[in-house]
Amino acid sequence: NAGVTQTPKFRVLKTGQSMTLLCAQDMNHEYMYWYRQDPGMGLRLIHYSVGEGTTAKGEVPDGYNVSRLKKQNFLLGLESAAPSQTSVYFCASSYPEVGQPQHFGDGTRLSIL
Amino acid sequence: AQSVAQPEDQVNVAEGNPLTVKCTYSVSGNPYLFWYVQYPNRGLQFLLKYITGDNLVKGSYGFEAEFNKSQTSFHLKKPSALVSDSALYFCAVRDSWAGSARQLTFGSGTQLTVLP
Repeated sequence: NAGVTQTPKFRVLKTGQSMTLLCAQDMNHEYMYWYRQDPGMGLRLIHYSVGEGTTAKGEVPDGYNVSRLKKQNFLLGLESAAPSQTSVYFCASSYPEVGQPQHFGDGTRLSIL
Repeated sequence: AQSVAQPEDQVNVAEGNPLTVKCTYSVSGNPYLFWYVQYPNRGLQFLLKYITGDNLVKGSYGFEAEFNKSQTSFHLKKPSALVSDSALYFCAVRDSWAGSARQLTFGSGTQLTVLP
C-alpha cells in the first residue's frame, strides 16, 4: 500500500522562485493536512482541508497557498520562496471521525537559497 | 486554545531498562491525546491514542501511555527499551471543545536514545 506519497522528496530553490509540492493519498481519507517541521519546534500546521474543494488556514499559513481539486490530492504552493521557508514539509491525511490518527508521508526537504 | 509540552529534548536509557517520555497538555474541553514516532528521514508514525475510557492505553511495539487528568499528563512508557526504539517521539493533543478546529497541536519532540 502506498499510503501518503509526497513529491518531490528534495528541492533547492532560489529566493523568489515558485514551486508546488504534491501530496497524494490512496486511503480515501476526507481530511488532508500540510505541516512544516523545524528543529525544536515540532510540527506546525500550514493549511488543511476537510474535503474536496475546501481548504482552511492553520497556524502558519502566510506565504503558502493550497488547493484540493481532487479528494486524493492536496497541493501546497509557494508563490515567492523566502529563506525562512527552508524546512521539511509533511503531508498527512485522516478519516474525519474523532480519534482517527493522521497518516504521514515521508516529507519534502526544501532549501531556499 | 490547546497546547502541549514535552519538557525533555533528549532522553537516554540503557537497553532493557524501562523508559518514560513525558508530555503535558492544556485544553479547554476534554483532550484527545496521541503519540507518534519519527525515524530518520521518515514521516511520523502513529503509536497510540487516548480518547476516552481506561487511563492506561496500550499501543504498537510494546508502548503504553497513562492518561492523568489531574496532572494533565500523558506520559509514554515501555517496560524494557530496545536499541531500535531510538527515535524522535511527538505528543499531540486535540481539544474536544466544539469551537476548536479539527487540528492537532504537536509538542516539540523528544529524542530517545537507547544505549546498548
